[in-house]
Amino acid sequence: QQQVKQSPQSLIVQKGGISIINCAYENTAFDYFPWYQQFPGKGPALLIAIRPDVSEKKEGRFTISFNKSAKQFSLHIMDSQPGDSATYFCAAVVQGGSEKLVFGKGMKLTVNP
Amino acid sequence: ETGVTQSPTHLIKTRGQQVTLRCSSQSGHNTVSWYQQALGQGPQFIFQYYREEENGRGNFPPRFSGLQFPNYSSELNVNALELDDSALYLCASSSQTSITGELFFGEGSRLTVL
Repeated sequence: QQQVKQSPQSLIVQKGGISIINCAYENTAFDYFPWYQQFPGKGPALLIAIRPDVSEKKEGRFTISFNKSAKQFSLHIMDSQPGDSATYFCAAVVQGGSEKLVFGKGMKLTVNP
Repeated sequence: ETGVTQSPTHLIKTRGQQVTLRCSSQSGHNTVSWYQQALGQGPQFIFQYYREEENGRGNFPPRFSGLQFPNYSSELNVNALELDDSALYLCASSSQTSITGELFFGEGSRLTVL
């Protein structure tokens, strides 16, 4: 059973465009929602994260929007750059105790110059 | 750099063999988690170690086992390898005192089972 569903699986955008990645979750106990970025040959690295008591969080060109009632959250990458080309994973976790991140399947982003 | 180091980076085994993967956690981190990432998939939680004891386990059979040492480094052992065990195995360290609970991942060990 996939607890975090991510879409689309891949996305191609032009430099300067907006990239949008959507995720939906099932477990209402999740209380922390991070996004990880993974470049080829590297491990995932934390990009930005949000808690459900906040509807939006912005860090530079990256913004998370969170809809608690719909159990959905999304990542928006503004002014996408070729260096943003990577695989993006949304994740969710119940913090406290043995924290186990549940990842989505990932979205491969390609930003063309 | 994350500070989490894993070895070996690549290895090839045959079905039925056993493998040991190693991980050195980032300085100051006392918790190590292991994830399996199949090709084209997101990482899946295998188990977590805190203070040398298993502290949570995902949906993996007992032939997946682990250890954490006093210096917080860790090993992942897989017995009776199967073809489906071919994947990137990621180690992540964290601190139980961290407010965000951020995981710091290594670059992984890519296992191919023939």
